[in-house]
Amino acid sequence: QKEVEQNSGPLSVPEGAIASLNCTYSDRGSQSFFWYRQYSGKSPELIMFIYSNGDKEDGRFTAQLNKASQYVSLLIRDSQPSDSATYLCAGGRGSNTGKLIFGQGTTLQVKP
Amino acid sequence: GAGVSQSPSNKVTEKGKDVELRCDPISGHTALYWYRQSLGQGLEFLIYFQGNSAPDKSGLPSDRFSAERTGGSVSTLTIQRTQQEDSAVYLCASSSSNGPYEQYFGPGTRLTVT
Repeated sequence: QKEVEQNSGPLSVPEGAIASLNCTYSDRGSQSFFWYRQYSGKSPELIMFIYSNGDKEDGRFTAQLNKASQYVSLLIRDSQPSDSATYLCAGGRGSNTGKLIFGQGTTLQVKP
Repeated sequence: GAGVSQSPSNKVTEKGKDVELRCDPISGHTALYWYRQSLGQGLEFLIYFQGNSAPDKSGLPSDRFSAERTGGSVSTLTIQRTQQEDSAVYLCASSSSNGPYEQYFGPGTRLTVT
């Protein structure tokens, strides 16, 4: 079992729709979670991080964390073709203690 | 401000040669991380520095891989006697020592071993 699991997709949504990206993790010691966006041939770009149970909103993005269910999600509202990319979920043990464990990523396609 | 920089952006080397990859973190970031991403693979942790010390080297795949950091800033990842399976994109990230510890990535070095 991988420590951080994501559905590889592709997830295809029409322009303007809500895209829902999901991630589960196995390490109950994980305290902090990060969503990165990676365009083809580019390095990962941080979109959001979340440490506490519940929702965290930033513009069109909402991250959700449920530690009891070991589940993290990212919602993208009003999806645009420019959102088409691979989205990486990562978990860490919190504080400045080092490595992040990444999922394999979900490919999102937003169709005009 | 300036982000994480890495050099070279691309490196092609022959099997058996040594290579050095360089990372310059965001100014003021005390933590530095090396990851690699192979075709079809996820991001794989290699090593973490806090200042000049490496508290976690658990991801280094073999003793052919080593890394150092000097002056709490620039880091070099060295791969000795390169093998074809070392071909990957090597990514460096840095983070602040004060919360919330999010890691910012450089553009990466694409290493091809022929």
